[in-house]
Amino acid sequence: DQQVKQNSPSLSVQEGRISILNCDYTNSMFDYFLWYKKYPAEGPTFLISISSIKDKNEDGRFTVFLNKSAKHLSLHIVPSQPGDSAVYFCAASAGGDKIIFGKGTRLHILP
Amino acid sequence: DARVTQTPRDKVTEMGQEVTMRCQPILGHNTVFWYRQTMMQGLELLAYFRNRAPLDDSGMPKDRFSAEMPDATLATLKIQPSEPRDSAVYFCASGLGAPYGYTFGSGTRLTVV
Repeated sequence: DQQVKQNSPSLSVQEGRISILNCDYTNSMFDYFLWYKKYPAEGPTFLISISSIKDKNEDGRFTVFLNKSAKHLSLHIVPSQPGDSAVYFCAASAGGDKIIFGKGTRLHILP
Repeated sequence: DARVTQTPRDKVTEMGQEVTMRCQPILGHNTVFWYRQTMMQGLELLAYFRNRAPLDDSGMPKDRFSAEMPDATLATLKIQPSEPRDSAVYFCASGLGAPYGYTFGSGTRLTVV
């Protein structure tokens, strides 16, 4: 049973526009949520996290929104840049240690 | 920049052979993970350690996989005997807890023929 779901395998966005990546989860015990970015032939890179006691966290062009009642979070990238083309993984943790990943969404930034 | 170092980068082996993958976590990080990436399953958690003690290895096929941390600077993942279905990229990650994020190595690409 997949506890962290990224239902869109891929997404294409025009350069300069907003990219919105979505993630749903089923485990109400999750208390931290994270986003990772992955380029081919490299390991995932940590982008941003959010605690379950917050509904928004911002870091530069990246903002994560958390809707606990809907068990949904999203990553907004504004403005989208060519270097943002990568696979984005949503991940969640219950109790601060082990993290469970979704299957990823491949983001293509179009020129 | 501190980094997690994984060796080898690529490994091709024949079915039935033993494979050992190594990871040097970042100094001072007390939590170490092994993940496997496949096209079908995404990033699967295989095992993890806190302060070198194994906490969860429920994601590993126990009959053929084993994970150890002989000291704070080395984590190993061993497959014996290897099978073609083990072909994947294996990642090691280390950190101080989920709120801080974890740092991943570049992975070991394993091909079992």
